[in-house]
Amino acid sequence: DGGITQSPKYLFRKEGQNVTLSCEQNLNHDAMYWYRQDPGQGLRLIYYSQIVNDFQKGDIAEGYSVSREKKESFPLTVTSAQKNPTAFYLCASAVRAGELFFGEGSRLTVL
Amino acid sequence: DAKTTQPTSMDCAEGRAANLPCNHSTISGNEYVYWYRQIHSQGPQYIIHGLKNNETNEMASLIITEDRKSSTLILPHATLRDTAVYYCIVRAIHNTNAGKSTFGDGTTLTVKP
Repeated sequence: DGGITQSPKYLFRKEGQNVTLSCEQNLNHDAMYWYRQDPGQGLRLIYYSQIVNDFQKGDIAEGYSVSREKKESFPLTVTSAQKNPTAFYLCASAVRAGELFFGEGSRLTVL
Repeated sequence: DAKTTQPTSMDCAEGRAANLPCNHSTISGNEYVYWYRQIHSQGPQYIIHGLKNNETNEMASLIITEDRKSSTLILPHATLRDTAVYYCIVRAIHNTNAGKSTFGDGTTLTVKP
């Protein structure tokens, strides 16, 4: 079945460590997005990509990095520069400007 | 991207219609209105979208004002399972670059027995 897969679902990290969250889609979508969600709050855009080998910063890109080497993959790295990384991370994809399809999310906890 | 404004929370009695408003006064002519909902700790789920005409599907109806500056999502017969956070966003129409898609804090709808 076509869809968008995020892994891992739960991740624990020690302070000062980088961690990479995976996002893969087999929907042949051009655009992919990463959002962060804190408890009781809405989604905030971290990075987005509309085409392979190109991506743009969202509203809260500091402390994060991404790559888009393949159409189906858009990994997010949470670096040690992110001061408060504990959050729920959501990946989404879309056909250009169409409907967004979301993954089930990755919950990162910094110990 | 146009910004949207929604009430923080709403209650609705089970079996009654839930009407969720959204203000998008800065929407441009090439942007659709999209509605999503999120149940706790899951990815948001698409509900419906529209450009300028009213739309209906098996989940909900969408009423967009003539000036397109606001819209209302209608759940005709709310059930307890409709308790969720509802997000209204705007996105550029197909065949253009979508650019950023910004979500606000949404409306927390609580359906009560």
